[in-house]
Amino acid sequence: GAVVSQHPSRVICKSGTSVKIECRSLDFQATTMFWYRQFPKQSLMLMATSNEGSKATYEQGVEKDKFLINHASLTLSTLTVTSAHPEDSSFYICSAQKSGANVLTFGAGSRLTVL
Amino acid sequence: AQSVTQLGSHVSVSEGALVLLRCNYSSSVPPYLFWYVQYPNQGLQLLLKYTSAATLVKGINGFEAEFKKSETSFHLTKPSAHMSDAAEYFCAVSTNQAGTALIFGKGTTLSVSS
Repeated sequence: GAVVSQHPSRVICKSGTSVKIECRSLDFQATTMFWYRQFPKQSLMLMATSNEGSKATYEQGVEKDKFLINHASLTLSTLTVTSAHPEDSSFYICSAQKSGANVLTFGAGSRLTVL
Repeated sequence: AQSVTQLGSHVSVSEGALVLLRCNYSSSVPPYLFWYVQYPNQGLQLLLKYTSAATLVKGINGFEAEFKKSETSFHLTKPSAHMSDAAEYFCAVSTNQAGTALIFGKGTTLSVSS
């Protein structure tokens, strides 16, 4: 089956530093990947749509300069939280759409804690 | 525009009892509807999805959901709850069959007691 891996699963960083989260499709190619953010006891909110080889499309209210998304290959998308602050602490989840298929697979998520 | 409302943030049932998790949607176009389950510290797993082929959709782990257009509902049911069903359940809506750009409900926590 389709597997999406996120790394790291947990990360703690100091305020002001940048953190990179990777999302990999392990056994399929993904033209499109999606990044979500989930606050405790709340739903997932779509942050951006990442297309291989092009700029990401951000949802309204999401700062593109703060949440840098790069989708350099068909199996890897990265989310970099720049100059992180405590309010950026959250659970970040990616999903990947298999190229040419109506299948979406979610990663296990990455929990970011900013001190 | 699309939106999803999950009635009841927390549902508690006894093992063996019926599970009913409610979901109502709003959509200006024919919707594609999904139910996902999330176990602690894990990603989302697709339970089932409605793609207009059949109004009663059967999913994994014995779950099923019925699309009722007149009621704009897509409630999730399971005849007999198991302890392993305890998790967070999310209803979601999309404008496409793949379920990209999903709009999620706030989720319902299901607790199962023995």
